[in-house]
Amino acid sequence: GENVEQHPSTLSVQEGDSAVIKCTYSDSASNYFPWYKQELGKGPQLIIDIRSNVGEKKDQRIAVTLNKTAKHFSLHITETQPEDSAVYFCAAPGRGGSYIPTFGRGTSLIVHP
Amino acid sequence: EAGVVQSPRYKIIEKKQPVAFWCNPISGHNTLYWYRQNLGQGPELLIRYENEEAVDDSQLPKDRFSAERLKGVDSTLKIQPAELGDSAVYLCASGRKRGTLTDTQYFGPGTRLTVL
Repeated sequence: GENVEQHPSTLSVQEGDSAVIKCTYSDSASNYFPWYKQELGKGPQLIIDIRSNVGEKKDQRIAVTLNKTAKHFSLHITETQPEDSAVYFCAAPGRGGSYIPTFGRGTSLIVHP
Repeated sequence: EAGVVQSPRYKIIEKKQPVAFWCNPISGHNTLYWYRQNLGQGPELLIRYENEEAVDDSQLPKDRFSAERLKGVDSTLKIQPAELGDSAVYLCASGRKRGTLTDTQYFGPGTRLTVL
C-alpha cells in the first residue's frame, strides 16, 4: 500500500514568517494530494489540494507544490498568523490511484505572536 | 451548505460494552468514509462507501466492527464488544465522486470514544 512520510513533526515560527511542510509518498500512481488543517477538538478541514496534472497551486497565503518525479509535495504558508496554529496533515491515495487515502502523521505548527 | 454531522460527540463506555456512531453526510455526496484517529496520528481509513456499497473494508476489524449505509445516505459504525484499544476519535467524511476522478473529502467533527 501507500506510504506517506511527513516532516517536520513540529514547526515553530514567528508571526509573519513562512512555514513549509513536506510529504513524500511511495505509490507512483497516486494522483491526488490534499492538505488538511485540524484544530483541537475538530475534524480535519481541507485547505488546499493538487492533482497530478499540475505542479503548483496557490490560494492566497497557501500554496502546494508537487514533484512527481521525486514523489514529494509540500505545503507553503506565507505571512503566518497565530490563527494558523494547528496540526496539518497531508494525504495521498494508494492502490494505483484508487482513492484509499493514507495520511501523514501530522505537523504541529505553532505561530508565535 | 451544512457540513458532515456526527453524533454523539463524546462517548465513554466500559470495555466489552457495545457502542454505535452515526454520520449524516453532506447532501448530494455519494461517497462516505469512516476513519479512526489515535492521539498524535493521522486518520486511518476503516471503510469506504460509494452510495450504499462498501467498496473497501479491508481495514475494518470485522470480528468486532460493523458498518452500514442504508439507502446510501446516513451511516452507522458499531463496535461490539469494545476493547481498551478502541479509544480514539472516529471521523466520518463524505465526498462527491464523479467517474474515476478522486473525490475531495469533507470531514465531520468526530466522536471521541473512551473505553474504560
